Amino acid sequence: KAGVTQTPRYLIKTRGQQVTLSCSPISGHRSVSWYQQTPGQGLQFLFEYFSETQRNKGNFPGRFSGRQFSNSRSEMNVSTLELGDSALYLCASSHLLAGGDEQFFGPGTRLTVL
Amino acid sequence: KQEVTQIPAALSVPEGENLVLNCSFTDSAIYNLQWFRQDPGKGLTSLLLIQSSQREQTSGRLNASLDKSSGRSTLYIAASQPGDSATYLCAVPLYSGGGADGLTFGKGTHLIIQP
Repeated sequence: KAGVTQTPRYLIKTRGQQVTLSCSPISGHRSVSWYQQTPGQGLQFLFEYFSETQRNKGNFPGRFSGRQFSNSRSEMNVSTLELGDSALYLCASSHLLAGGDEQFFGPGTRLTVL
Repeated sequence: KQEVTQIPAALSVPEGENLVLNCSFTDSAIYNLQWFRQDPGKGLTSLLLIQSSQREQTSGRLNASLDKSSGRSTLYIAASQPGDSATYLCAVPLYSGGGADGLTFGKGTHLIIQP
C-alpha cells in the first residue's frame, strides 16, 4: 500500500511570491492534516481537512490556506511569502478524523524563502 | 490547550543498551498518544499508537506505556542499535481528541546510538 506522498520535495521561492504544495494521502484515508516544522518552533499544526471540509485550524495567519479534493488529495497555499515561512511542511493522513486515529506522515516539502 | 514536554532533549548511549525516553503532557483528558521517529530531513514514521484505554503497546524492541492520571508516557527501546539513531517525538491531540483535531508535539529526544 503506497504511503503518503508530497510534491514537490524541495522548493525555493522569493519573498512576496506564493506557493502551492500538494499531498496525496494513503488510499482510503479521508483526513489530511498539514504541519509546519521549524528548528525554533518544532512541529505546529496548520489545518485538517476531512471529506473536503476544513475541520480545524491552527494559529497561523490567513496567508496559509488549503483545500481538499473529492479524491482526498489536498493542497496548501501560502501567499505573500515571508522569510519566516522557510520550513519543512509535512502532511499526514488518517482514515478517521485526526484526533482519533493513527496519523501517517509524508516525506515533507522543504520550502526555502529567499 | 495541551502542552507536551520530552526529556531528555538529547541522549547518546553505546550500542546494546536499553533506554527510556520520557514524554509528559499537561491535560490528562487525551484520546490517544502517538510516538514517532524522524530521521534527519525526513518525514515522521509512526512507531506506536496508544489509545486512552490502554496502558501499553509493544512493537518489536519498542514498548510504550501510558499513565493518563500522571500525564506521562515512556518509550522503552531494548537492545539499542545504531539504526535506532533518530529524533523521537511524542504527540497527543491538541484539544479534546477523538474528533477533528490536530496533534501537538513535544520537541523530541535526539538519540544517538554509538557503535
